[in-house]
Amino acid sequence: DTGVSQDPRHKITKRGQNVTFRCDPISEHNRLYWYRQTLGQGPEFLTYFQNEAQLEKSRLLSDRFSAERPKGSFSTLEIQRTEQGDSAMYLCASNGGSGVSTDTQYFGPGTRLTVL
Amino acid sequence: SQQGEEDPQALSIQEGENATMNCSYKTSINNLQWYRQNSGRGLVHLILIRSNEREKHSGRLRVTLDTSKKSSSLLITASRAADTASYFCATDAGDKIIFGKGTRLHILP
Repeated sequence: DTGVSQDPRHKITKRGQNVTFRCDPISEHNRLYWYRQTLGQGPEFLTYFQNEAQLEKSRLLSDRFSAERPKGSFSTLEIQRTEQGDSAMYLCASNGGSGVSTDTQYFGPGTRLTVL
Repeated sequence: SQQGEEDPQALSIQEGENATMNCSYKTSINNLQWYRQNSGRGLVHLILIRSNEREKHSGRLRVTLDTSKKSSSLLITASRAADTASYFCATDAGDKIIFGKGTRLHILP
């Protein structure tokens, strides 16, 4: 049984570059969530999908951010024209599906982004 | 925005002692959860307590919930070095959960 995986684990980029992160949820889960976590803070909700539909987006998700889950399995989070303020840990979580609670979320290890 | 607020922000105790962390929240909830995060890693779910429950146990963990005070506490008994981590409370908000800022727990040998 594999858990939630994220790739890459670390990304260093220069300001202005685009970056894309990938999340593979637990296979039977139909909900997938993205969070951002800065140092000393708790995770902040960005967006979530049920299957391929993006159902909610936070106001934190500026126009430079876009998330997709084209086939209802893995998801990508793209940040265009990165800024130093985008430096954070980006966490993915999943839950839901047949017989699977939507209360508890199962988290991946995160992608740590550093924007120079 | 963050709904829950943990107290204290940081806690250091000797191995073997009990650790208590508190969480206060602002709006009505259906359930409250506690998660643990080891340094630089993802979060791990510890325990969920529903709004109609007052206390719940899981191994060395004991969680209480007081909906009239909008507060919860997490007690870790007989602490171990491996308990060193950040602990977050999380409250439900529609289809998502909202995390507090966390308590950083350090177990001293």
